[in-house]
Amino acid sequence: GQSLEQPSEVTAVEGAIVQINCTYQTSGFYGLSWYQQHDGGAPTFLSYNALDGLEETGRFSSFLSRSDSYGYLLLQELQMKDSASYFCVHAGAGTALIFGKGTTLSVSS
Amino acid sequence: NAGVTQTPKFRVLKTGQSMTLLCAQDMNHEYMYWYRQDPGMGLRLIHYSVGEGTTAKGEVPDGYNVSRLKKQNFLLGLESAAPSQTSVYFCASRTGTEAFFGQGTRLTVV
Repeated sequence: GQSLEQPSEVTAVEGAIVQINCTYQTSGFYGLSWYQQHDGGAPTFLSYNALDGLEETGRFSSFLSRSDSYGYLLLQELQMKDSASYFCVHAGAGTALIFGKGTTLSVSS
Repeated sequence: NAGVTQTPKFRVLKTGQSMTLLCAQDMNHEYMYWYRQDPGMGLRLIHYSVGEGTTAKGEVPDGYNVSRLKKQNFLLGLESAAPSQTSVYFCASRTGTEAFFGQGTRLTVV
């Protein structure tokens, strides 16, 4: 089977930096993606890592270590609008997309 | 472009009734997915398709059937609805690394 573990909740204040970790156990690993979902809305794509290292997209960065089966999403200069759920997602054999259970980020002023 | 459109947006079913959820995408994507989302459970994959005429089981396929007769449409069927199928259902399509999601269907089975 496949599983992705991430913390259920994270809290931070505006302007801070927060890191959301994800560890995975999978077969046929292709890559790790991150999605954001605001309450009641559709998930939206943030980033994708197929190779080891850091990918940066504006205030968001994502990191992958295939040897450690580990990745993280780094959010900088936090804003209130970043309050949402964040999911790590595995793209595996047969192109199935498997979601972790999600991390709820609460940003306060 | 409409992207990914789900029909209906809301539905209440009685136990034992059947229904079909429709997902339509206009991006010519090969891969399409059906998920259900329950509180604290994230999105769980029900079935998916890697192209027209193909389907595959996901993590929680029991009680659901799917069909992909046309590339742009992916149908999710509930033959005999149960209260445990009360959930929010999301459809997605993708090509490459990014998946695009519909706005969801909120289904309640009473």
